[in-house]
Amino acid sequence: DAGVTQSPTHLIKTRGQQVTLRCSPKSGHDTVSWYQQALGQGPQFIFQYYEEEERQRGNFPDRFSGHQFPNYSSELNVNALLLGDSALYLCASTTIKVAVDTIYFGEGSWLTVV
Amino acid sequence: GEDVEQSLFLSVREGDSSVINCTYTDSSSTYLYWYKQEPGAGLQLLTYIFSNMDMKQDQRLTVLLNKKDKHLSLRIADTQTGDSAIYFCAEKGTGRRALTFGSGTRLQVQP
Repeated sequence: DAGVTQSPTHLIKTRGQQVTLRCSPKSGHDTVSWYQQALGQGPQFIFQYYEEEERQRGNFPDRFSGHQFPNYSSELNVNALLLGDSALYLCASTTIKVAVDTIYFGEGSWLTVV
Repeated sequence: GEDVEQSLFLSVREGDSSVINCTYTDSSSTYLYWYKQEPGAGLQLLTYIFSNMDMKQDQRLTVLLNKKDKHLSLRIADTQTGDSAIYFCAEKGTGRRALTFGSGTRLQVQP
């Protein structure tokens, strides 16, 4: 049973560039959330996708956008990168179809902005 | 808004029990989670507890929830060097889709 998979694992971008990160949820899951984890801090919620729509959003600017595909996989896009966007980006998956809300995370994508 | 607090650091000897504590502010919290993060890695779900429970045991892990005081703890029995990591407490409230995390507790296990 494949868990949550993310790609790429590491990447380096220059200020002002754009980046796309990808996530495939755990088998049987239909809901994907994205989190940003800065060094030494806990993860911060960016947004959640279900049925190809953004369902809830955290306190992140519009430079952060996403998409969910019919196969439930998801992308996180960040435009006009800032140095402060350097962080570990984590994807989490779950499903609303069961009573118990277990939430699993991937290994993350390390983004360095220089 | 919602807030989750954890102590920053805990050091124990191998074979001892570890107790990691967490407090939260949201009285509507429905699920509370413990995650483990090893260096350079993602988050591993260790266990979770529903808010109508006060205890949950899973092998070496025991979770205690005091809903009145909004206090959650994770006890690791017979702590091993492989348990050295950062442990995050997280909560999810009614009607909210996001997890709110604490800043993490770094557990150091001395051989």
